[in-house]
Amino acid sequence: GAVVSQHPSWVICKSGTSVKIECRSLDFQATTMFWYRQFPKQSLMLMATSNEGSKATYEQGVEKDKFLINHASLTLSTLTVTSAHPEDSSFYICSARAGFMEEPQHFGDGTRLSIL
Amino acid sequence: AQSVAQPEDQVNVAEGNPLTVKCTYSVSGNPYLFWYVQYPNRGLQFLLKYITGDNLVKGSYGFEAEFNKSQTSFHLKKPSALVSDSALYFCAVRAGGGGFKTIFGAGTRLFVKA
Repeated sequence: GAVVSQHPSWVICKSGTSVKIECRSLDFQATTMFWYRQFPKQSLMLMATSNEGSKATYEQGVEKDKFLINHASLTLSTLTVTSAHPEDSSFYICSARAGFMEEPQHFGDGTRLSIL
Repeated sequence: AQSVAQPEDQVNVAEGNPLTVKCTYSVSGNPYLFWYVQYPNRGLQFLLKYITGDNLVKGSYGFEAEFNKSQTSFHLKKPSALVSDSALYFCAVRAGGGGFKTIFGAGTRLFVKA
């Protein structure tokens, strides 16, 4: 149980294009979803937290107009990297949590984004 | 401010030997503690958690962790390591004093040698 599906797993695109990443909780309802960015050999950097039907809460230093997050249902959240540039290249990981604070977060397999 | 420390960047252990991956934390309030494992080019997989109760928590794949309140530690252990345990391990903490935001440690890379 507690499966989180993230697509696509790998994206290569030209600078200036927008990229959408989907995150779905397959067998549970995710009251809260999280988006992380991970640099090589480093820990996770939380980008934003979203609750279904509400605007996402972005961490300090994360451009909300650059990284658009939509959490339209209890099983789906999307991250759109707008006008992507090479410095946006990274490994993006989504996570979902059901219920309240005692519940662990469950993670997708990540999306490796490469901007040429 | 909440923080999690994983003092070792890397742990090396021989297959069949016991392993320990260390984690200490600093929070306001009672902590919720978690361990996750990450394999290359994958997301994190949940291993185990401590919320309350017995200080020794058992989790997936034979892993266990011991909560020590006085030392503010939550070390991950396994009695007999497998080569397939080689991966990146993250400790995480969540507490009311931090608005229940999950804080992840920097990660510890475990190498199990055959």
